[in-house]
Amino acid sequence: IVLTQSPGTLSLSPGEGATLSCRASQSVSSSYLAWYQQKPGQAPRLLIYAASSRATGIPDRFSGSGSGTDFTLTISRLDPEDFAVYFCQQYGSSPYTFGQGTKVEI
Amino acid sequence: EVQLVESGGGLVQPGRSLRLSCAASGFTFDDYVMHWVRQAPGKGLEWVSSINWISDTIVYADSVKGRFTISRDNAKNSLYLQMNSLRAEDTALYYCAKNLYGSGCFDYWGQGTLVTVSS
Repeated sequence: IVLTQSPGTLSLSPGEGATLSCRASQSVSSSYLAWYQQKPGQAPRLLIYAASSRATGIPDRFSGSGSGTDFTLTISRLDPEDFAVYFCQQYGSSPYTFGQGTKVEI
Repeated sequence: EVQLVESGGGLVQPGRSLRLSCAASGFTFDDYVMHWVRQAPGKGLEWVSSINWISDTIVYADSVKGRFTISRDNAKNSLYLQMNSLRAEDTALYYCAKNLYGSGCFDYWGQGTLVTVSS
């Protein structure tokens, strides 16, 4: 399954909201879709799994939605620490695949 | 606290081999599926391989099938990746990742070990 993320780059200011899209080339079974955040020089961090469930310790300004082939990560109010690259990943079928990433920049 | 610490990376010539290790702590290692994920410099993430708790279910990405072998030693809380016939396109930061229970996504990651394949 090929995952296409858009936009490639999102230029926003702290306090604004962000909407990131992840579109799959075929339906992701059981909404097995995850979102990760990666900052420079760091490993990815799991934000959302099963399309809409927040991982442990993730602030509620992060939310996920969607099903089938269209998924969205929403950040309600950008905190300065939220500027990073975001990846989606499907784990409904092997091979597990990632999107190419969306960079959220100031 | 969950910790995953990779080691074994380095510079290697094309066609040669390398073995990566991942030392796990802070959780019951043999309860969890474990994964290797890689990231080429400046690029995105690529899942490489997964192994279940008793090593009877193992899967690989097509890009490494037949060349890489994943294994684990539950007594040592360790995960391994034997990489043979290395190619330039295998150059990447290799992450060890713990499976979120009951899913196929990755809730804890190591800091990675860099593999550079070059003559």
